[in-house]
Amino acid sequence: DVKVTQSSRYLVKRTGEKVFLECVQDMDHENMFWYRQDPGLGLRLIYFSYDVKMKEKGDIPEGYSVSREKKERFSLILESASTNQTSMYLCASSWFGYEQYFGPGTRLTVT
Amino acid sequence: QQQVKQSPQSLIVQKGGIPIINCAYENTAFDYFPWYQQFPGKGPALLIAIRPDVSEKKEGRFTISFNKSAKQFSLHIMDSQPGDSATYFCAASIAGYALNFGKGTSLLVTP
Repeated sequence: DVKVTQSSRYLVKRTGEKVFLECVQDMDHENMFWYRQDPGLGLRLIYFSYDVKMKEKGDIPEGYSVSREKKERFSLILESASTNQTSMYLCASSWFGYEQYFGPGTRLTVT
Repeated sequence: QQQVKQSPQSLIVQKGGIPIINCAYENTAFDYFPWYQQFPGKGPALLIAIRPDVSEKKEGRFTISFNKSAKQFSLHIMDSQPGDSATYFCAASIAGYALNFGKGTSLLVTP
């Protein structure tokens, strides 16, 4: 079974803090993705990576950066957290595209 | 800009009914159209997917109908059950990479 794990289920941070969200997959997948999910807006792609040290911007990359130093790990970084980044963050991975396997999500609250 | 438009936003059907969720897209380069199912507290999971060279695909009680000329596709759930109550997302992508999601449909199947 494919497993995608995210470092925290719930996280509360203060405005201006630097926030790290970690994602690990155990299936040797090439591609990894970060989405945010907001009510009424669906899932929106923040960044994705198709190889180690490679990254591509998604639809809403502003205020975020990513890091992929190892194939199995993809980190999302909020450089200076703001209240409008309060959201559910979902990580996913896939092998050469197509079926994406999602983690359980991290609900981030920025106060 | 939402590349995939999904309707309705919410849907209530009785057990045994056939809920239908519709999606429309504009980008004719899309070649992969998956549906994801999400239960509360969980990440989305792939339910069924179709490519534009077929007009219909069935997997168990779930059917995708695809109309290439109209740039529309829909999900039908036959003999719906209370356990099907979840949020459903349609999506589209090119070569299976970055998924463009609809905003989601919250389905409630009443006993």
